[in-house]
Amino acid sequence: EVQLVESGGGLVQPGGSLRLSCATSGFTFSDHYMDWVRQAPGKGLEWVGRSRKYAESYSTEYAASVKGRFSISRDDSKNSLYLQMNSLKSEDTAVYYCVYISGPRTGYYYMDVWGKGTTVTVSS
Amino acid sequence: DIQLTQSPSFLSASVGDRVTITCRASQVISSYLAWFQQESGKAPKLLIYAASTLQSGVPSRFSGSGSETEFTLTIDSLRPEDFATYYCQQSHSYPLTFGGGTKVEIK
Repeated sequence: EVQLVESGGGLVQPGGSLRLSCATSGFTFSDHYMDWVRQAPGKGLEWVGRSRKYAESYSTEYAASVKGRFSISRDDSKNSLYLQMNSLKSEDTAVYYCVYISGPRTGYYYMDVWGKGTTVTVSS
Repeated sequence: DIQLTQSPSFLSASVGDRVTITCRASQVISSYLAWFQQESGKAPKLLIYAASTLQSGVPSRFSGSGSETEFTLTIDSLRPEDFATYYCQQSHSYPLTFGGGTKVEIK
């Protein structure tokens, strides 16, 4: 069973940094894409970024709203995914979800399993 | 960026009703569309991917259809546990995007 547990959220001042972690189990971590998705209070879902699998050099993609400020990385020895967030703004306040990507199945990748999320609050 | 427009944004229905939610893409996305259900205070749950493929374990009263730019999620015979917010999401191209959501409430 795929399990994802996020941690590292908290209160941070504007301009500050925070590193989120996602501990994974139940699958071969290096063989799967992984995403971060966030949800601001009372708002919809916003994709943050993606880490492709080892065979694709763990290359990454980011939403324009976080590009240059956020960075996704992995530690295979710990089966963990990370989101380094720098230059944080009040609009980054959200619940951040770690997401396991299945595929390609008949050519499709899809957001299959979601963690429970960790809350980030950016405020002075 | 590909915009996804969901309609309606809010829907009031009764147990046993048939419900249809529409998602329109701003450009052709083939069948690169998924649907998610999010109950209040919980993480989203995948219902359908590739526009019409039911995720394992999801009840058969949920179905998806459509291609190119027009997609629908249908819930046959609404059950109490189906009252939630539903989102569509495209995986055709980056940045990945979600629709604004449709909240299904009890009439």
